[in-house]
Amino acid sequence: AQSVTQPDIHITVSEGASLELRCNYSYGATPYLFWYVQSPGQGLQLLLKYFSGDTLVQGIKGFEAEFKRSQSSFNLRKPSVHWSDAAEYFCAVGARVNNDMRFGAGTRLTVKP
Amino acid sequence: DAMVIQNPRYQVTQFGKPVTLSCSQTLNHNVMYWYQQKSSQAPKLLFHYYDKDFNNEADTPDNFQSRRPNTSFCFLDIRSPGLGDAAMYLCATSRDMRDRGNNEQFFGPGTRLTVL
Repeated sequence: AQSVTQPDIHITVSEGASLELRCNYSYGATPYLFWYVQSPGQGLQLLLKYFSGDTLVQGIKGFEAEFKRSQSSFNLRKPSVHWSDAAEYFCAVGARVNNDMRFGAGTRLTVKP
Repeated sequence: DAMVIQNPRYQVTQFGKPVTLSCSQTLNHNVMYWYQQKSSQAPKLLFHYYDKDFNNEADTPDNFQSRRPNTSFCFLDIRSPGLGDAAMYLCATSRDMRDRGNNEQFFGPGTRLTVL
């Protein structure tokens, strides 16, 4: 079964600074990869996804992520963080042979003024 | 707008008193999922339906059951809630993930369950 690791539990960045959230996955084939964001007390909103093709994926709110097969990674980036980006971020991996999707433990982002 | 709706948003129940959480969708997706999310943790898949086929996760307690009477609705029944079942319960839908194409999961806003 697939699995996801998000090494950073909590990250603090200053507003306007760049951001990179790490995600490593384990899966025997090319996976489906997702980044979701969750504000307190809310459901999950999809930021971006990778299915195939271009390994650099653009998402909403100025986020992008790059699929690196050799590193089994799908790191999320944003060049300039806004205070409204403070939230919990989840990386997820889906198999191509069933309907299972597994989430990482999440990274909580705090944005300093 | 097409969406995933969960009712109620907040549910309070007593220890041992059965409770049902509701999810409906207007996306006409054939897969529906129930996740449990405890504070500061990742969503944990409880089970999912592919059409009427029920797929239970191996570690989902028997205390949790689900019903899907039609494509649009799915229910989560907790037969005898314990204090450890207090959590956010998230419903999600998708097309069949095995198909090529736009197969992300769409999430509802969640139901926060409190057990007294």
